[in-house]
Amino acid sequence: DGGITQSPKYLFRKEGQNVTLSCEQNLNHDAMYWYRQDPGQGLRLIYYSQIVNDFQKGDIAEGYSVSREKKESFPLTVTSAQKNPTAFYLCASSRETTNYGYTFGSGTRLTVV
Amino acid sequence: GQQLNQSPQSMFIQEGEDVSMNCTSSSIFNTWLWYKQDPGEGPVLLIALYKAGELTSNGRLTAQFGITRKDSFLNISASIPSDVGIYFCAGTLTSGSRLTFGEGTQLTVNP
Repeated sequence: DGGITQSPKYLFRKEGQNVTLSCEQNLNHDAMYWYRQDPGQGLRLIYYSQIVNDFQKGDIAEGYSVSREKKESFPLTVTSAQKNPTAFYLCASSRETTNYGYTFGSGTRLTVV
Repeated sequence: GQQLNQSPQSMFIQEGEDVSMNCTSSSIFNTWLWYKQDPGEGPVLLIALYKAGELTSNGRLTAQFGITRKDSFLNISASIPSDVGIYFCAGTLTSGSRLTFGEGTQLTVNP
């Protein structure tokens, strides 16, 4: 079955270290997205990509970086410049026609100590 | 950017009660979607609505696309403990635009 996979589910890092979150989809979706969710909060868009080798900043891109070298993959790097990186990170993908909605991964909970 | 106002922010109900939540916007949307997020998981699509006035059910869930195209409603009948989670509304302004999400409604069901 097709789906979107995020790994790992839980990630612990020391302050000042960069960390990369994986997101892979086999849905043949063109667009992919990264969201951040803090406890009791909604979804905030970090970056999105509508096509390979192209991506755009979302609402809270500072301290994050992405790449889209393959259609199936959209890794997110949380850099040491991100001042408050501890959060739940969600990856999603969609067809070009977004009326059908996004398919979300199961999330990665990042804790920085 | 566009905003969706989702209410209520949270609800505490007894098992068996019915639940209603809604989303409103100042803009006209051409699609409304409702998602549920279980604790520690990603949101899952519950219902998609594509026409003004459309009423769609998925088991005990019923959602409606408002006539003005600026709002949508989700009702849950006879709630059960596994209904616990965060419910998000989302909409698209055009068929290719990114989704705009509401802030979510946190639902707690007491057995």
